Parts: sequence; C-alpha cells; structure tokens
Amino acid sequence: AQTVTQSQPEMSVQEAETVTLSCTYDTSESNYYLFWYKQPPSRQMILVIRQEAYKQQNATENRFSVNFQKAAKSFSLKISDSQLGDTAMYFCAFMKLLAGGTSYGKLTFGQGTILTVHP
Amino acid sequence: NAGVTQTPKFQVLKTGQSMTLQCAQDMNHNSMYWYRQDPGMGLRLIYYSASEGTTDKGEVPNGYNVSRLNKREFSLRLESAAPSQTSVYFCASPPGGTASGNTIYFGEGSWLTVV
Repeated sequence: AQTVTQSQPEMSVQEAETVTLSCTYDTSESNYYLFWYKQPPSRQMILVIRQEAYKQQNATENRFSVNFQKAAKSFSLKISDSQLGDTAMYFCAFMKLLAGGTSYGKLTFGQGTILTVHP
Repeated sequence: NAGVTQTPKFQVLKTGQSMTLQCAQDMNHNSMYWYRQDPGMGLRLIYYSASEGTTDKGEVPNGYNVSRLNKREFSLRLESAAPSQTSVYFCASPPGGTASGNTIYFGEGSWLTVV
C-alpha cells in the first residue's frame, strides 16, 4: 500500500526567508504524480506545485520549487522569499496513474505541515 | 472549484440518523474520491472510484457506503451516524488524458456534525 509521510507537523519561518517542507512516500509504482497543496483556514485546497514521476527535472513555480529524488522517494518543497500569505497547512500527495492514462488509483495525502510565516 | 459540487455544505445529524453526501463533477473525469478531514489533521481516504462502475475502499471505510451512480456523480452514505463521524468531508476528482496530472479538483467541503 502506498503511504505518504510528512515528518514535520509544524514549521515556522521569518518573512523573506526560505523554508523547506519534507515529504517521503512509499510505492512500488513507476507511473505516478506528486503534488503539494496549500490549505488556508478556509479549508480550500490550493495547488502549489506538481511533479510527474517520469520527469527528472524538478518542478518550479515562481517562489516554490521541489527537490524530487525518485530513488529515495523524497519530494520536498522549498519556499523562497516567504510571505505572510504563505501561512497555511501544506499537504503532500501521491496519485497513481492507471494504464490507459485516463483514470487513477489511490490518491494519498500526507498528514500535513502547518507553516507559520512571522513578520 | 466550480467543477466539483458537493451538497450539503453544512449538516447536523443526530446519532443513528442516516444521510447521503452528494458529489458531482461536470468535467467528464473518470476518477472520484471521498475524504474526511478532522481538525488539524490530514485528508484520509474513505472510498474512491477509479472509473464508472468501480469503487474501492480507502483507509477509513467503516461506517460508510458509496455509489458511483454514473460518470458525473459519486455519493457517500452514512447509514447510522456516530459522533466519531463529525468531520469535514471533501470530494475530489483529477482530470485524465492530456490534462493528466495537471491538478486535482476539490469540492468546497461538507461540514458534518453528529450530536
């Protein structure tokens, strides 16, 4: 069974500094996607960044980047120039792609990391 | 999140009552998921449907049943509600094909309280 582990229940960072959130996963699959989602107190789920397992290049979206280590099954999120609006819970997620490319198996989330950005 | 619609948004139930949470997506997606999120916790998978006509258990299926009525709709039923089922419930659906892996669409959540 696939599992996703976020080992940092809470993190804090000063505004404008850099912080890294860790995520490890366990799977025997080769075709999958990884995501980081942000959840503010409103409970809305907001996509931060995604990574296709077949791509070796690490994904980047503005201030957000990942360090994807497929062999080590690690998918960490780096937030540069942290802003007060980055304060939220962050979830790492794993999604298995089924043969045919149009449907998916289990979509598993980590336990979440509460990030607080201090002024 | 206009593509995934959940109803109701808020519900208070008495212990032992039954209810159905409805989820619909108008994006022609094959796969749909139901999660529960307790305060300060992550999303735990209750049931999922990889494609129309199939359903599978997730991590926490006890006390729940699901129906994939058609490609659009995936409902979650609580047959005899218990206080331990007080939670926020989310429905989710990712696109396939050329948009595969682009994102996951979520409903806005259903706040359920069992007293």
